[in-house]
Amino acid sequence: DIQMTQSPSSVSASVGDRVTITCRASQGISTWLAWYQQKPGKAPKLLINSASSVQSGVPSRFSGSGSGTEFTLTISSLQPEDFATYFCQQTNTFPLTFGGGTKVEIK
Amino acid sequence: LQLQESGPGLVKPSETLSLTCTVSGGSISNKNYYWAWIRQSPGKGLEWIGAIFYGGNSYYKPSLESRVTISIDTSRNEFYLNLKSVTAADTAVYYCATVLIPSHTLDYWGQGALVTVSS
Repeated sequence: DIQMTQSPSSVSASVGDRVTITCRASQGISTWLAWYQQKPGKAPKLLINSASSVQSGVPSRFSGSGSGTEFTLTISSLQPEDFATYFCQQTNTFPLTFGGGTKVEIK
Repeated sequence: LQLQESGPGLVKPSETLSLTCTVSGGSISNKNYYWAWIRQSPGKGLEWIGAIFYGGNSYYKPSLESRVTISIDTSRNEFYLNLKSVTAADTAVYYCATVLIPSHTLDYWGQGALVTVSS
């Protein structure tokens, strides 16, 4: 299985802050990476696929980058509705695997 | 597409966990998707259990493969999860979801079903 490691596991930030989350794959996956947002009691929501392609309807403050083994999700100016947990997922091969998650909390 | 999980919320240790995912707003015979099960233990991360194509080809997480069966009924627009010999470690919210081909992104999710393993 491809192991996905996310950091940090949690981050405290204020509205308007720039937040960056990192995801590392245990082997090269080109740009086969997706990012999801999950709010308490809800299913995850797909934000970004192919490492940097933002889904329709997702605010432009969300962006993704990276290839190979290192990837980042950036929220350029944190909004109140962005406080949530974020997961990366490698989409390269079965079994699909996820990072451990990053909880973005209010500072 | 809408997906909805259903099944018992409480299962005894050593028994079999069985869940149904009912698909509406589209056909489960859609060649653009695999149909997947994912779980999330309380306060933990996401774990992909496996997936099935409408033709019946299935793929499982290796560490669960000996206990898991995913099946599909195209006439009912449903797919199913059976997980046998459960323990407390199988307590989780179980989600069904679509896996878009070929991107392998999880585009549509059910709301999730909490299954507790306890005597």
